[in-house]
Amino acid sequence: SQTIHQWPATLVQPVGSPLSLECTVEGTSNPNLYWYRQAAGRGLQLLFYSVGIGQISSEVPQNLSASRPQDRQFILSSKKLLLSDSGFYLCAWTAGGQQYNEQFFGPGTRLTVL
Amino acid sequence: GNSVTQMEGPVTLSEEAFLTINCTYTATGYPSLFWYVQYPGEGLQLLLKATKADDKGSNKGFEATYRKETTSFHLEKGSVQVSDSAVYFCALTSGTYKYIFGTGTRLKVLA
Repeated sequence: SQTIHQWPATLVQPVGSPLSLECTVEGTSNPNLYWYRQAAGRGLQLLFYSVGIGQISSEVPQNLSASRPQDRQFILSSKKLLLSDSGFYLCAWTAGGQQYNEQFFGPGTRLTVL
Repeated sequence: GNSVTQMEGPVTLSEEAFLTINCTYTATGYPSLFWYVQYPGEGLQLLLKATKADDKGSNKGFEATYRKETTSFHLEKGSVQVSDSAVYFCALTSGTYKYIFGTGTRLKVLA
């Protein structure tokens, strides 16, 4: 069966520090991968998605970036965090090559920028 | 563009009450529709889905029917339990790799 992992689970970082969040999927190949951010008590904001290694589509032009160095690995980064980057970050995947199937979500990373 | 509208929460019900959470959508083509549930501090879990008009998705006593004529996908459950307390998200995808989510509806069930 497929599983999705995210780490760290919780992170507290000062303003201006760098960020690296990692997401990996097991049990499938060539998945479509997604990063979302959820502000407290709010809905989901799509940040990036990827349909293959090295292919990144950005939905939000901010100080965040994403990379996909391996088929089942998706990384969210920032060189300098802002207070507004605080939130709950969710990684998700869908079956590759298909566009109407359900998404599966990881457990999330709670980021607090102080 | 595509969009999903859900009823505002919170919804507060007594245990064993009937639940309806409304969801309507705007989309081109024939989207797939989903309901997700999120418990505090966790990621979203797929609750049910429907991929074509008149399909009924069901899981754990929850049901939703894909109504193309009214562009709706309302979530229902006949008898809620305290353990159903969570945030519920309606979502769609219409073949662009992107998924559109509603803003979420918080459900609180009282014993």
